[in-house]
Amino acid sequence: DAMVIQNPRYQVTQFGKPVTLSCSQTLNHNVMYWYQQKSSQAPKLLFHYYDKDFNNEADTPDNFQSRRPNTSFCFLDIRSPGLGDAAMYLCATRSRRAPTDTQYFGPGTRLTVL
Amino acid sequence: AQSVTQLDSQVPVFEEAPVELRCNYSSSVSVYLFWYVQYPNQGLQLLLKYLSGSTLVKGINGFEAEFNKSQTSFHLRKPSVHISDTAEYFCAVSANNNDMRFGAGTRLTVKP
Repeated sequence: DAMVIQNPRYQVTQFGKPVTLSCSQTLNHNVMYWYQQKSSQAPKLLFHYYDKDFNNEADTPDNFQSRRPNTSFCFLDIRSPGLGDAAMYLCATRSRRAPTDTQYFGPGTRLTVL
Repeated sequence: AQSVTQLDSQVPVFEEAPVELRCNYSSSVSVYLFWYVQYPNQGLQLLLKYLSGSTLVKGINGFEAEFNKSQTSFHLRKPSVHISDTAEYFCAVSANNNDMRFGAGTRLTVKP
């Protein structure tokens, strides 16, 4: 019954080596979010898609990109990971049918940068 | 813009004792308020939310929270905690549900 699926759960990459994290959802939700959560900190919104419309947070580094090829899938690309990018990356979805709907979170992908 | 302050970074408590996790917010507009729980190496799970109506909101796992507009607070409470409640708890605020801001989190540790 998994609704928001993130793959892989754990990802190890080398400094500067591009990495892609995956999120898929079975909820048919219009809105998808990517958050970065560093150790002992709150989740920080990186960007979100409203259908195919991409919305970048002003302070999200250019090193972070995203793709949403269809409603079900969304990818986070880190072009040149630095040590400071090691974190948990959380994907979330929401239906736009009503503004008060809740965000549903995936289990996260923990990224380690060596 | 909205912001959230969680007043306690860590709350240790003994099993079966009551607990309150404090959350204050600031916003110039009406907001929605949420509490999420995060177990180790997992995503966030919604405990409860306040959208409108009754200021006392009941959630899952026996948790409840009270919205206090005059004090801009949304404290989370449970009358009797279990070992399994040990986790990180996040308060969040949203003005339009597209821009959710999280507090820094409170680590609840329940001791036997």
